[in-house]
Amino acid sequence: DQQVKQNSPSLSVQEGRISILNCDYTNSMFDYFLWYKKYPAEGPTFLISISSIKDKNEDGRFTVFLNKSAKHLSLHIVPSQPGDSAVYFCAAIITGGGNKLTFGTGTQLKVEL
Amino acid sequence: DARVTQTPRHKVTEMGQEVTMRCQPILGHNTVFWYRQTMMQGLELLAYFRNRAPLDDSGMPKDRFSAEMPDATLATLKIQPSEPRDSAVYFCASGLPPGPYGYTFGSGTRLTVV
Repeated sequence: DQQVKQNSPSLSVQEGRISILNCDYTNSMFDYFLWYKKYPAEGPTFLISISSIKDKNEDGRFTVFLNKSAKHLSLHIVPSQPGDSAVYFCAAIITGGGNKLTFGTGTQLKVEL
Repeated sequence: DARVTQTPRHKVTEMGQEVTMRCQPILGHNTVFWYRQTMMQGLELLAYFRNRAPLDDSGMPKDRFSAEMPDATLATLKIQPSEPRDSAVYFCASGLPPGPYGYTFGSGTRLTVV
């Protein structure tokens, strides 16, 4: 039972344009959401997060949007750069419920010159 | 920079052999996770510990996998006997909830069982 879903296994975007990565979840108990970036042969690295009491969080070129009613979040990268090419994982937490991360299956982003 | 250290980075073993993977969490972090990355399942949680006590190992095949924290600086994941379907990358992560939840991951152990 995949509680966090990333339905697009891959995404290709031109340098300088916006990248939009999507994530859906089914468990309404999730109240904190994170995005991780992963390069080959490395572990995932934390990128940005958002609490369920907010609908937007911004950090430089990265913005995460949360739509609780739709159980949907998205990561926007503007402008996209070649160094952003990586696998992006969406993750969710039930705070106070062990605080374990439940991950999606990832989206491979390729930013082309 | 503080980091989570995993050893070995790569392991090739024959089916039926015992495999032990080790993790040194970041000093002061009280929560340690073991995840496995597969193509189909993404990152799946195997087990995790808080203050060295196991909190949840429901994601782990109990008959062959075991996870322990003999002390605060070492977490181990053992597979005995190993099978080809165990081939994957195994990640350890540590953190200090309820602080920032951006847990720190190690570089992983790539396990190949032939």
